[in-house]
Amino acid sequence: EIVLTQSPATLSLSPGERATLSCRASQSVSHYLAWYQQKPGQAPRLLIYDASTRATGIPARFSGSGSGTDFTLTISSLETEDFALYYCQQRSNWPITFGPGTKVDIK
Amino acid sequence: EVQLLQSGGGLVQPGGSLRLSCAASGFAFSNYAMNWVRQAPGKGLEWVSHISSSDDNTHYADSLKGRFTISRDNSKNTLYLQLNSLRADDTAVYYCAKSDWQYWGQGTLVTVSS
Repeated sequence: EIVLTQSPATLSLSPGERATLSCRASQSVSHYLAWYQQKPGQAPRLLIYDASTRATGIPARFSGSGSGTDFTLTISSLETEDFALYYCQQRSNWPITFGPGTKVDIK
Repeated sequence: EVQLLQSGGGLVQPGGSLRLSCAASGFAFSNYAMNWVRQAPGKGLEWVSHISSSDDNTHYADSLKGRFTISRDNSKNTLYLQLNSLRADDTAVYYCAKSDWQYWGQGTLVTVSS
């Protein structure tokens, strides 16, 4: 099973600041890495797939990069609605696995 | 508009069974693989199972140890998850998700408790 590690666990920032979230895989997942945003009481929302492709309707302030084992989600300038939980997911190998999440909260 | 409407959750005793449903609309259901994901209270996301578009290929999380069965009825545009031998640690919100992961159901809570 591929284990995903996310860092930091919590990121405290102010609106307008840049957020950089990391996801590391225990073995290469090539580019089969996705990022999700989740708010309390809601289903996850796909932000990025294939490491760097924005999903439909996702604002340009969200960007993804990386390949192999190291990946980054960047939010260029935080909006109020961006404060939430973020998960990475690998679909390279079965079983599909998720990282433990990074919480982005308001400083 | 793509919609995934879930039903079938609820309270069940340890050792009991439950069947979850996910009714799809707004897309050609028979052309897409589907997934189930769960989230225990206050915890992260855990992938549960996957089924191919034609129901001939399934995958499960190792932790389930054969207790859960995914299936689909393409004539009814509906995905199912049969949960057997339920334990307290199966308590979670269960989500269905289309294979592109762009669309998710609203989630249904399964509570396993005596």
